Amino acid sequence: DAGVIQSPRHEVTEMGQEVTLRCKPISGHNSLFWYRQTMMRGLELLIYFNNNVPIDDSGMPEDRFSAKMPNASFSTLKIQPSEPRDSAVYFCASSLLASQETQYFGPGTRLLVL
Amino acid sequence: DQQVKQNSPSLSVQEGRISILNCDYTNSMFDYFLWYKKYPAEGPTFLISISSIKDKNEDGRFTVFLNKSAKHLSLHIVPSQPGDSAVYFCAASDSGGGADGLTFGKGTHLIIQP
Repeated sequence: DAGVIQSPRHEVTEMGQEVTLRCKPISGHNSLFWYRQTMMRGLELLIYFNNNVPIDDSGMPEDRFSAKMPNASFSTLKIQPSEPRDSAVYFCASSLLASQETQYFGPGTRLLVL
Repeated sequence: DQQVKQNSPSLSVQEGRISILNCDYTNSMFDYFLWYKKYPAEGPTFLISISSIKDKNEDGRFTVFLNKSAKHLSLHIVPSQPGDSAVYFCAASDSGGGADGLTFGKGTHLIIQP
């Protein structure tokens, strides 16, 4: 069974460019989470969706960040315009919609903004 | 303000001995705790969890202990094996009802010495 799929695995872009990260959750999972990992702040929750509806986006750092989940099998995290301080590893995770359900993580997208 | 703290950035243990990783939390609303293991260039992998109604959960070589009064949990690995070398993240959630995002510690890099 395929796990959480993220693309691209690596992204190098220049400051000011738009970046779109993609995630396909595990089939049957109806909760999806976006996390960011940096050396300074560790792993932080950015936003999560239950049944495709954004529940908590308080972790989204700025208006430059936006996330969508148009259907149960796809989500995007967009940064526009990107800045060097956005350089990090971005993880997507999914779980069943219930409390105390394990979250399964994708391999991450390593973003470098020059 | 870190709500989940792992005060040891790294830990070195001899193969065959017990590894003890510690985690403290400040939010008394947390009621579900997890440990994740992460290898380089991969996403975090779920290891073991514990609900706040328990004080111990065991799975093979891995045991998690929860001390609610001290707001402290620990992960014991015995015996430690070379494949256990990884970064270990402690995570917590205020599950309430429905899926919630996780709050992570900054991780402890466990090194198993042959």
